[in-house]
Amino acid sequence: DIVLTQSPATLSVTPGDSVSLSCRASQSISNNLHWYQQKSHESPRLLIKYASQSISGIPSRFSGSGSGTDFTLSINSVETEDFGMYFCQQSNSWPWTFGGGTKLEIK
Amino acid sequence: EVQLQESGPSLVKPSQTLSLTCSVTGDSITSGYWNWIRKFPGNKLEYMGYISYSGSTYYNPSLKSRISITRDTSKNQYYLQLNSVTTEDTATYYCARSDDYDGGFAYWGQGTLVTVSA
Repeated sequence: DIVLTQSPATLSVTPGDSVSLSCRASQSISNNLHWYQQKSHESPRLLIKYASQSISGIPSRFSGSGSGTDFTLSINSVETEDFGMYFCQQSNSWPWTFGGGTKLEIK
Repeated sequence: EVQLQESGPSLVKPSQTLSLTCSVTGDSITSGYWNWIRKFPGNKLEYMGYISYSGSTYYNPSLKSRISITRDTSKNQYYLQLNSVTTEDTATYYCARSDDYDGGFAYWGQGTLVTVSA
């Protein structure tokens, strides 16, 4: 199975900061990488698909980049509603797998 | 608007069968891919499998022969059965829709916590 490693595990930031979250794959997955946000007691929400494609209804401050094995989710000027868990997921090789997550918390 | 809702027992005894229903509104399960995903305590997410618009299925090999995903198109519902459960199967179970077999999961149910305990 493809292993996705997310870093850092926890990121403490102040609202207004811009941040980058990393997701690294154990082998090349082309651009078959998706990003999700999950807040406490809620379901995951798809933020970015196929590494960099935007999703309708998701604020433009969220963007994704990367291909192959290294991917980044960027949040430009974090807002208080952005705090929570972020997961990456690959759909290049079965079975689909998820990263362990990055917790974005308020400093 | 596409909405998914999981339902089923919240407590299952070890060695028994876990059975969940995903009820779908706002879309037909004869289009797209209909998935089951679970989240363990501690945040690890595991992809379990799907049933497609045509009725074809895929299961995560880690679940071996314990899993079955079926559907009832007349009710616009699909189902998860997981046999011979252990305490390791305690998790929040989500149903989710993807447009393509390799697409992201754009729609999710609210999740249902299933505890395996005697």
